[in-house]
Amino acid sequence: TQLLEQSPQFLSIQEGENLTVYCNSSSVFSSLQWYRQEPGEGPVLLVTVVTGGEVKKLKRLTFQFGDARKDSSLHITAAQPGDTGLYLCAGAPGNQFYFGTGTSLTVIP
Amino acid sequence: SQTIHQWPATLVQPVGSPLSLECTVEGTSNPNLYWYRQAAGRGLQLLFYSIGIGQISSEVPQNLSASRPQDRQFILSSKKLLLSDSGFYLCAWSEGTGANEQYFGPGTRLTVT
Repeated sequence: TQLLEQSPQFLSIQEGENLTVYCNSSSVFSSLQWYRQEPGEGPVLLVTVVTGGEVKKLKRLTFQFGDARKDSSLHITAAQPGDTGLYLCAGAPGNQFYFGTGTSLTVIP
Repeated sequence: SQTIHQWPATLVQPVGSPLSLECTVEGTSNPNLYWYRQAAGRGLQLLFYSIGIGQISSEVPQNLSASRPQDRQFILSSKKLLLSDSGFYLCAWSEGTGANEQYFGPGTRLTVT
């Protein structure tokens, strides 16, 4: 059973388009994290959301934590080829971190 | 600042051979340490985590084992590799209990032939 489900699994868009990636769970998390991973490298932390309803912005990336702290979304505005990568959400109910199934994004120039 | 190292970066091993992957962290004390395996383009499968020296929790039954001989050293081992052990292995650390964030090493690409 996967604790965190991400959708879509794969996404291929043209440069300049907008997109949203979703991370959903039936469990409540005290916080959720988003990571981006490039091929052959380790994931890099982008942001942590802690408060229900919280919105954080990182340049063209907007992250939102659901009011019930069971889900999160990542919205990218005007996607660029440099945004290409695997996006992972994660939560840590305790000492363990649970990762989502991942969304593989390709931005075509 | 904290840094995390993994080696080797890539490894090709025959079936039945032993394995030892090493992970070290610098710039922090008493971190939680983690080993993950990742299939191509997919999410991370937690294999082991450790909250202190000699304290290892296993998440998935398998022919792999982990050890933590020092505070900032985490080792992933196998006595006999299987083809299914091929994958991308990632080590990560976090602050102690209640930490929100994890930081990853560069990974080891293991190919079992």
